[in-house]
Amino acid sequence: KNEVEQSPQNLTAQEGEFITINCSYSVGISALHWLQQHPGGGIVSLFMLSSGKKKHGRLIATINIQEKHSSLHITASHPRDSAVYICAVNPPDSSYKLIFGSGTRLLVRP
Amino acid sequence: DAGVIQSPRHEVTEMGQEVTLRCKPISGHNSLFWYRQTMMRGLELLIYFNNNVPIDDSGMPEDRFSAKMPNASFSTLKIQPSEPRDSAVYFCASRPGLPNTEAFFGQGTRLTVV
Repeated sequence: KNEVEQSPQNLTAQEGEFITINCSYSVGISALHWLQQHPGGGIVSLFMLSSGKKKHGRLIATINIQEKHSSLHITASHPRDSAVYICAVNPPDSSYKLIFGSGTRLLVRP
Repeated sequence: DAGVIQSPRHEVTEMGQEVTLRCKPISGHNSLFWYRQTMMRGLELLIYFNNNVPIDDSGMPEDRFSAKMPNASFSTLKIQPSEPRDSAVYFCASRPGLPNTEAFFGQGTRLTVV
């Protein structure tokens, strides 16, 4: 079993839909990251959080430490949101190591 | 700041050749990471530098791989000799020296070894 599991693996949505991507982890963590990777492009850090909720524009990330679960929400999705979204966690014994999920590939159709 | 700059963006080389990937971190960032991304294994940490010193190289696959950081503004990842299984996207990332801060990734170098 992977230490960081994401669901779904693939997601297709219509423009304007509300999207949720889930991340569950089985290890203790000091922080959780959500990353975005566009096709053929680099990786962008969207959020780093260790508790509660953060919001940037149409993106919202939440984390429940007790349940070892995080969600990434996209409101009013747009085709430019099409990308791979990667969840990663910092284990508590290492401030620099990241344990990565396998990613969720999102396609938003116009 | 221009962000983390990697070069080249794409590299195609023949098996057995030496390959050198380059990275310029964001100015002022004390930590630098080299990652490899493949379809099979996802993102893997190869090596981590702090203040130009290699701290953790346990992810370097084998002796064919080496990395250097001669100063705070430049790092290289070298593969010699290259093999087809080294084909992957190699990312460099940097972050400020504080722990548990966000890392900034470069655009990656897509390496194909034929």
